[in-house]
Amino acid sequence: KQEVTQIPAALSVPEGENLVLNCSFTDSAIYNLQWFRQDPGKGLTSLLLIQSSQREQTSGRLNASLDKSSGRSTLYIAASQPGDSATYLCAPTYSGAGSYQLTFGKGTKLSVIP
Amino acid sequence: EAGVTQFPSHSVIEKGQTVTLRCDPISGHDNLYWYRRVMGKEIKFLLHFVKESKQDESGMPNNRFLAERTGGTYSTLKVQPAELEDSGVYFCASSQDPHRGEEETQYFGPGTRLLVL
Repeated sequence: KQEVTQIPAALSVPEGENLVLNCSFTDSAIYNLQWFRQDPGKGLTSLLLIQSSQREQTSGRLNASLDKSSGRSTLYIAASQPGDSATYLCAPTYSGAGSYQLTFGKGTKLSVIP
Repeated sequence: EAGVTQFPSHSVIEKGQTVTLRCDPISGHDNLYWYRRVMGKEIKFLLHFVKESKQDESGMPNNRFLAERTGGTYSTLKVQPAELEDSGVYFCASSQDPHRGEEETQYFGPGTRLLVL
């Protein structure tokens, strides 16, 4: 059974700082991995999808890395802004029986202080 | 392009009643997923449709939950009869093709917040 752990559970940083969010998963046989952000009371917004054959993926100030063998992914946010404040969720996809279900961690709640 | 939409946004019902949640995926997305977050827990997978067929329903908690996707377009999730522990946020997601790069991305709707009293 796949389990996902995200560390830290909460993080508060001053605006402009670079930061790293960590995600670990127990089963390295993942198909791909998505990072999402969730704003209070809202749905999930997909940030990046990184395929199992990739080592990293970039979108703007975001960079996600993946190390399948060690069961780890990191999300790097450069030059953080108050608008980055949200809960960040890591979700590997495990493909079994033709299904591509996401397995979620509890997330990291990020607060960027102006 | 419209995103994934869900209706209603909120529902408050009494134990024993029936509730039906609806999800409209992004146009052209054959894959539709239902997930649920109960209070204080992680988001959990419920089931996966490919067009109108159930590909995987291993996450459905019990037979009080019935999901359908007639015609391969929108989907409904019915809870009958509802119990207190069914309270939570029900999310729907859709993806274009789970085998083709960026098309594997699952896009989520805003969720339906269900409260069973």
